Amino acid sequence: NAGVMQNPRHLVRRRGQEARLRCSPMKGHSHVYWYRQLPEEGLKFMVYLQKENIIDESGMPKERFSAEFPKEGPSILRIQQVVRGDSAAYFCASSTNSYEQYFGPGTRLTVT
Amino acid sequence: AQSVTQLGSHVSVSEGALVLLRCNYSSSVPPYLFWYVQYPNQGLQLLLKYTTGATLVKGINGFEAEFKKSETSFHLTKPSAHMSDAAEYFCAVGLNNQGGKLIFGQGTELSVKP
Repeated sequence: NAGVMQNPRHLVRRRGQEARLRCSPMKGHSHVYWYRQLPEEGLKFMVYLQKENIIDESGMPKERFSAEFPKEGPSILRIQQVVRGDSAAYFCASSTNSYEQYFGPGTRLTVT
Repeated sequence: AQSVTQLGSHVSVSEGALVLLRCNYSSSVPPYLFWYVQYPNQGLQLLLKYTTGATLVKGINGFEAEFKKSETSFHLTKPSAHMSDAAEYFCAVGLNNQGGKLIFGQGTELSVKP
């Protein structure tokens, strides 16, 4: 049973470009979470999705960031017009219930 | 607001010594508590969790933690450190009135000296 898959593992974008981060949950998991880890900090919750629904987006910045989890395919975290402050590691987690979450290896975004 | 505090951003122990990583939380409702470990440039791996029942929880790699409601603590221990335990450790709390969101502490980096 493959774990949570994230791609790309590393992503470099210039300021103003768009970043798309993908997450494929573990087989059978219908809950997906996105977290952001800034350098030297813990993980901060961004958004919680189930298939075709955003359940909790209280941690998402109001502008430039969006997330989806379509009926088919991976969950996508999209960052438009990236700025240097968006440089971070973005982790996806999945679960069958709401509490035991399994994390992917992360996508490390660098904005130049 | 709910929060998690990990006392000590860096802890150093000798190989074979006791490991104690501290975690305190604030919550107005019964929490679910977790410890995760992160190796460099990797994702987080679940070490152990407390949901209900026995307050002493055993996890992988010889780690255990005890939920103490009166102290709002969930400290992580291991009797004898191994070099392979060197990593970043995160305490997290999940609240049953906020869906699946986990709130993480800032992390504790554990170093193990030979």
